[in-house]
This record gives sequence, C-alpha cells and structure tokens, in this order.
Amino acid sequence: SQQGEEDPQALSIQEGENATMNCSYKTSINNLQWYRQNSGRGLVHLILIRSNEREKHSGRLRVTLDTSKKSSSLLITASRAADTASYFCATGPTYGAGSYQLTFGKGTKLSVIP
Amino acid sequence: KAGVTQTPRYLIKTRGQQVTLSCSPISGHRSVSWYQQTPGQGLQFLFEYFSETQRNKGNFPGRFSGRQFSNSRSEMNVSTLELGDSALYLCASSLSGTGTETQYFGPGTRLLVL
Repeated sequence: SQQGEEDPQALSIQEGENATMNCSYKTSINNLQWYRQNSGRGLVHLILIRSNEREKHSGRLRVTLDTSKKSSSLLITASRAADTASYFCATGPTYGAGSYQLTFGKGTKLSVIP
Repeated sequence: KAGVTQTPRYLIKTRGQQVTLSCSPISGHRSVSWYQQTPGQGLQFLFEYFSETQRNKGNFPGRFSGRQFSNSRSEMNVSTLELGDSALYLCASSLSGTGTETQYFGPGTRLLVL
C-alpha cells in the first residue's frame, strides 16, 4: 500500500520559477527520501532527511520535514527544463538494523517549460 | 564507483513463460531490494536480500522469487507470466539495508508480457 502521497499530482511551471512538491505519510518513519525519475527510467536519489532533521539543502533543492504533521516538502529553486521529471517521496520505517523497505507515493509529475 | 546495473534493460515475453532479471549492486553494498513499478499501482516493494538471505517480502504471489549470491549480485524470477506482470522492475542497493541508509537504484528492466 502507498504510504506517501505527493501533492500536486502534476505541476507545470516556467523555467526560472520555483517548484514546490508536498508529501504526506501515515506512520512513524526513520527517514524520508526524495527521488527523481525521468521518463520511466531508474530512480535518481536526490536527498535523504532523517526524522530528527527539519530542513536539508542540496544545491537548488530544499527539503523540509514536519514529523508532527507527517509531511515533507521539496522545493526546487530556479527550475530548468532538465528538471522535468516525476518526483517521488519514499519513507523508510523504523526497523532499526533489520531489513527495511521504502514505501513510495505516486509521485508528482513536474513539467518545466523553457 | 559504478552504480547499480541491471540486465537486461528490455524484455518481451509471452504469457506462461518465465523470466529472470539480474542486478549487480554498488561495490560494497550487501543489501539488494527489488521493486515493481506499474502505472496503476506505482512503485511496490517485492523483496530484500542481505547476505544471501531474504529478509523481507512484499505482498506478491509466490510466482515472484529471488535470490542473492555470495558476491551480493541478485536475481529475481517470475514464473508463469501474466499480462499484469508487465512493468518496470527496479533494483536498489544499500550498504547494509538498515533504515537509515540511502537506497541507490538501477536503470530498471522493462518487461512486456504479450
């Protein structure tokens, strides 16, 4: 079953604008990860934020995590046409040292218009 | 460091046949997970292997199986293929599969069942 739910399902913006995607989840997590997927290819890892972190930056990416609201957001600043892709949030449960699996949302399809 | 590799990249099979997909993790990674991606169900966890042992399995029928070798390479097998098995199959690796790590994905194997 899907744990993360991204919002919006689709987003279309002009090049240079900022893009914000949101993710909500249901159960306690150990971490939350954001991935990008171009046209049905493999997933590219963007950023991991741990449950005890509130904000993380990587280049033009900014991720926030609010565990009290069970939600996260991904901000892409100064978007480029090459950012056109589907973006997924994935949650890792609190398994500790045992096996763990990622639970994915259905993704946000971002289109950046040149 | 080379990334996760998957072979073959594309595959066409007919109903009733069986198929074997291969995944080579990042060097040093001992945990390998498999995911199925379809337009309808999204990304779903299949199973995870660590040190040649299956530690976790998703909600898939017994036709889906896998194994891991001593060099951490993994294979998954689908027997008696059904049309609904058409999907992108993604392999991911991480160091030890704990809940605090990043999972790195391969490019996927696109399976079409006719």
